[in-house]
This record gives sequence, structure tokens and C-alpha cells, in this order.
Amino acid sequence: KAGVTQTPRYLIKTRGQQVTLSCSPISGHRSVSWYQQTPGQGLQFLFEYFSETQRNKGNFPGRFSGRQFSNSRSEMNVSTLELGDSALYLCASSPRSIGGADEQFFGPGTRLTVL
Amino acid sequence: GNSVTQMEGPVTLSEEAFLTINCTYTATGYPSLFWYVQYPGEGLQLLLKATKADDKGSNKGFEATYRKETTSFHLEKGSVQVSDSAVYFCALRENSGGSNYKLTFGKGTLLTVNP
Repeated sequence: KAGVTQTPRYLIKTRGQQVTLSCSPISGHRSVSWYQQTPGQGLQFLFEYFSETQRNKGNFPGRFSGRQFSNSRSEMNVSTLELGDSALYLCASSPRSIGGADEQFFGPGTRLTVL
Repeated sequence: GNSVTQMEGPVTLSEEAFLTINCTYTATGYPSLFWYVQYPGEGLQLLLKATKADDKGSNKGFEATYRKETTSFHLEKGSVQVSDSAVYFCALRENSGGSNYKLTFGKGTLLTVNP
């Protein structure tokens, strides 16, 4: 099975722009979660999508948004970019079976640099 | 809220040395506990997990035991190799009927193993 794929792998933007990152989960996985990784704050949960609906949300401003399509692929969008948004954005997928004990499989991440 | 505290790094060891990375947690209820590993330039890989008290997770010579009485999940390996050099993250996830798929991570511990 192919793993979680994220595109693009690297992105450079300037302040004030917006950006869209894409994540394709493992085939058959219906849950996609997004995390932001920075040297200062570590790994922080952004949001989780399951069956095209946002199920959980972390403590990020409304500039961070996402969506999930019927094929479980997910995108996240960051509007009005700030320097502090420079980070590695990781996507994770899971089958999300009943019981909730599944592991999450992570993609390689998208490295966003905001200049 | 939930939190994970793991020992600050970096940790530098010689090959074949014994490794311990401490991890303690604060959570409501009975979370599942995980250790993830991140190699340079890559996403996170699940190393091992434990879903209930006294469970021992193990993989590739690494072990960790879910200790509810001390709220700990310390990572150990009897003999490290140069290839174990990476960043290790302790994480927890609440098990609230499968409705919560948010992982809470520790800050990460950088391990360097010298030949």
C-alpha cells in the first residue's frame, strides 16, 4: 500500500499571501489530521477531518482552515500568511475504526517558509 | 487539558549503550500512549504503543510500559545503534469513544549515537 503523500514538499511564500497544502491518505483510510511542527512550539494539532466533516480542532486562528473531499483527500489552507507560520506541516491518516485505538500514519510533511 | 513531558535533549550515547528517555503525562480518563520517531527530513513513524495500564509496547528492541500509577511511559533500549539516531516523541490520545483523534505530543528528544 502506498503511504500518506503530501504535496508540495517545499513551499516559499511571502507575508500576506495564502497557501494550500494537499494530503492524500492511505487507501481506505477515512480520517485525516493535520499538525504543525515548529522548533519553538513542537508538534501541535490543527484539525481532523472524517467523512468530509471537521471532527476536532486545535487552538489556531481562523486563518487556518481545511476541508476533506469524498475520496478522503484533504487540503489545508492558510490565509494572510505571517512569518510565524513557517513550519513543517504534517498530515496523518487513520482508518478511524470503531473503538478508536488505531494508529495514525504520518506523511513526510510540507515545509512552508514565509519570507 | 492533556499534556506530555519528556526529557530534554539532546542525548548523546556511544553505540551499544543503554537508552532511557523519560516521558510522563497528564490526561483525563485513560489515554493510549505512543512513541514516534522522526529521522532527518522525514515525517513521524510509530515506534510502539500501549493502550491500557501495564501494557508493554515493543518494537525494534525498544520497549515502553504504560504505568498508570506514575503516569509514565519511559522508552528504553538495551543496546543502541548508530541508525537509532533520530528525534523521539512521546504522545498520548484520549480514548473517548473513538471521538477524539487528537494526538498530544511531548517536545521531542534528539538522540545521537556515535560509533
